[in-house]
Amino acid sequence: AQSVTQLGSHVSVSEGALVLLRCNYSSSVPPYLFWYVQYPNQGLQLLLKYTTGATLVKGINGFEAEFKKSETSFHLTKPSAHMSDAAEYFCAVSRGSSGGYQKVTFGTGTKLQVIP
Amino acid sequence: DTGVSQDPRHKITKRGQNVTFRCDPISEHNRLYWYRQTLGQGPEFLTYFQNEAQLEKSRLLSDRFSAERPKGSFSTLEIQRTEQGDSAMYLCASSSSTGELFFGEGSRLTVL
Repeated sequence: AQSVTQLGSHVSVSEGALVLLRCNYSSSVPPYLFWYVQYPNQGLQLLLKYTTGATLVKGINGFEAEFKKSETSFHLTKPSAHMSDAAEYFCAVSRGSSGGYQKVTFGTGTKLQVIP
Repeated sequence: DTGVSQDPRHKITKRGQNVTFRCDPISEHNRLYWYRQTLGQGPEFLTYFQNEAQLEKSRLLSDRFSAERPKGSFSTLEIQRTEQGDSAMYLCASSSSTGELFFGEGSRLTVL
């Protein structure tokens, strides 16, 4: 079974500051890892994903995440926060299996506040 | 718009009534998921379809819940004899073989 733990349900950063949202995963097999963003009253949107290959993954809106197997982590970062980044962010994991059934399990989310 | 669409977006019902939600996935996606999300929580997996076959159901899905995907196209999620604890956002997502989920905007259920 897979699971993810997101550290910090609320994170506040100043506009222009570094954004760091933490995610640790648990998986008995090589995982696929995802970050999703949810703006108020909207559905979840994929920010980025890690499947295989390069461990540093770049996503939309300037976000990136690094898969660290030794630390079982997949933290999300952005060098400079923008007001429009204020949203809730979800880390998710699935069993890595190309073409096969992949149940995606989500973390509890981190709400990002950007202070002007 | 070729994204995932859900209907209705909002549903207010009285305890004990039945409700049905519909999801239309992205047309070329053969996989369809239902999730439930409550305030302050991440999406919780309910059930999964590959084409018309329901391959997994969560223990969260009590006997009052039923989901179908006739002909492997749209899906419906029905809740019978609703309870106040059923109040939540019901999310539908679809995917292809690449694994990432594409979500609809959700159907918010309020049970009075």
